[in-house]
Amino acid sequence: GDSVTQTEGLVTVTEGLPVKLNCTYQTTYLTIAFFWYVQYLNEAPQVLLKSSTDNKRTEHQGFHATLHKSSSSFHLQKSSAQLSDSALYYCALNNNNAPRFGAGTKLSVKP
Amino acid sequence: GPKVLQIPSHQIIDMGQMVTLNCDPVSNHLYFYWYKQILGQQMEFLVNFYNGKVMEKSKLFKDQFSVERPDGSYFTLKIQPTALEDSAVYFCASSWTGADYTFGSGTRLLVI
Repeated sequence: GDSVTQTEGLVTVTEGLPVKLNCTYQTTYLTIAFFWYVQYLNEAPQVLLKSSTDNKRTEHQGFHATLHKSSSSFHLQKSSAQLSDSALYYCALNNNNAPRFGAGTKLSVKP
Repeated sequence: GPKVLQIPSHQIIDMGQMVTLNCDPVSNHLYFYWYKQILGQQMEFLVNFYNGKVMEKSKLFKDQFSVERPDGSYFTLKIQPTALEDSAVYFCASSWTGADYTFGSGTRLLVI
């Protein structure tokens, strides 16, 4: 079945510095969509980015990600982390049934 | 934007009792989902529901679980009887197309 791997449970970065959250996947489906969800404390997960196009950069709220099917990756990056970016980030894929989530990466941005 | 409401936000229940978690999805959405998140772990897919039917369920969707959406009202997850390992946060989500999802804030269930 489908699986999503987020290798870092916690990423700590200093405000203003770049950040990268890793996401790789395994799937047997050809047509799939990929998501990054952000979940703030005690709030619902919400879509940050989504993509289904290989090698196309997707941007939103300063974050960007590029789907690379050759390496089965959809890493999330931001050039300058802000304190307000501290949250839980989930990578997910959808094969037209329901999103399957990775384990999540907690991003902690320090002053 | 439109929201998914989950009622109640917290629930404490004795092991063996029945519990019903309620989800008020975005109006006009047709696809409904439940996820389970044990503290400190990832969100796990439980079930998706469309046109009055369960479309897919995971291994976590035990026989004690059931879902329904009677007459377009709440989308419910019922657990009967509850077990200690059912303690978790349960997230509901809904979708219009089956491709974009709106999540609720979760119901925190504690079985004691």
